[in-house]
Amino acid sequence: EAGVAQSPRYKIIEKRQSVAFWCNPISGHATLYWYQQILGQGPKLLIQFQNNGVVDDSQLPKDRFSAERLKGVDSTLKIQPAKLEDSAVYLCASRLGANRVLNTEAFFGQGTRLTVV
Amino acid sequence: GQQVMQIPQYQHVQEGEDFTTYCNSSTTLSNIQWYKQRPGGHPVFLIQLVKSGEVKKQKRLTFQFGEAKKNSSLHITATQTTDVGTYFCAGPGSGGYQKVTFGTGTKLQVIP
Repeated sequence: EAGVAQSPRYKIIEKRQSVAFWCNPISGHATLYWYQQILGQGPKLLIQFQNNGVVDDSQLPKDRFSAERLKGVDSTLKIQPAKLEDSAVYLCASRLGANRVLNTEAFFGQGTRLTVV
Repeated sequence: GQQVMQIPQYQHVQEGEDFTTYCNSSTTLSNIQWYKQRPGGHPVFLIQLVKSGEVKKQKRLTFQFGEAKKNSSLHITATQTTDVGTYFCAGPGSGGYQKVTFGTGTKLQVIP
């Protein structure tokens, strides 16, 4: 079974530039998450999709961050314009479903390491 | 909202010593998951606990869910260098959809 695919693996941009990350979840997984992990900290949930709909984006800085999952499969996360404090690893994860009773594990991609200079 | 704290933040042990990390939630959890993240890697699922007082074992790892379902622990017996990494507990978060809300993590360093 193929895992969660993310690209690019690394990205260096100057502040005020824009950047986009791509994620392809495991086939058949309805739930997709984007996390931001700053060095030395735990992953922080940015946005959660259930199929192609957003179910939680309460911690997404919407003035500069946007995400979409138009066909309910792959997803993109965009930052425009980037700030120095956006330097982090951006992790995508997928899960079969989001049912609280029939909970399943989340599978993570390798992440994209973003450096803003 | 749900907050999950872990202690200690860091732990250095000699190879062969035991290690324990504790996870505490401000609210009752319907379930708790544990993940391991190797240096430079991504979180990898270890286990899920659902029942009050549940204890599960995976070789040298023992996971426990508190009776009140507000705390959990991970104990590693006789640590090895392969145990190095950061261990996160994760709660389901608030709201109708299951999230993976990570705790603060415990970074384990094993000295050979």
